[in-house]
Amino acid sequence: AQSVTQPDIHITVSEGASLELRCNYSYGATPYLFWYVQSPGQGLQLLLKYFSGDTLVQGIKGFEAEFKRSQSSFNLRKPSVHWSDAAEYFCAVGDVSGTYKYIFGTGTRLKVLA
Amino acid sequence: DAGITQSPRHKVTETGTPVTLRCHQTENHRYMYWYRQDPGHGLRLIHYSYGVKDTDKGEVSDGYSVSRSKTEDFLLTLESATSSQTSVYFCATQGTSTDTQYFGPGTRLTVL
Repeated sequence: AQSVTQPDIHITVSEGASLELRCNYSYGATPYLFWYVQSPGQGLQLLLKYFSGDTLVQGIKGFEAEFKRSQSSFNLRKPSVHWSDAAEYFCAVGDVSGTYKYIFGTGTRLKVLA
Repeated sequence: DAGITQSPRHKVTETGTPVTLRCHQTENHRYMYWYRQDPGHGLRLIHYSYGVKDTDKGEVSDGYSVSRSKTEDFLLTLESATSSQTSVYFCATQGTSTDTQYFGPGTRLTVL
């Protein structure tokens, strides 16, 4: 069965520090991969996506993610975190078999210390 | 981002009453989805639609039904609300198979 695991429920970093959020997936083929961000009381906003090609993907707000097929991972990174990055982050896998459904991880809540 | 609105944005209801949530989109997207978001569970798919009058179940469909009579509207109905259906409900739309899903602002539903 397809699944997405975000092993870190909460992460706290200091402003200006680097950030890496982990995402592992289980899928029979190369899936579509996404990272979304959700600020409190808001809907989800797409940060970046991977469909094919270059395994290092650039997104909005200075985020990037790297697809590693051998590790079934799609980790999100940012070199220097800003206080406004405090939010919840969701990794998702898109079904490429025809239903186009997404499977979401349980999310990682990021806290940024001033 | 796609123009997606959800109504109502907040609702408090009592156990056993029917509830209908509406998702409206202005992007002419083919695919529409209803998710629920609960702490520790992320987003879970309730139902989805791949065209007018074409719908299918997601992973947590029990107690919910949907209808899509027009491209722009996707309705989620709780026939008889239960406290376990207290949640935040998100609608999403997707234009093509290689497009991304765009999310509405959510509806917070409380069932007393």
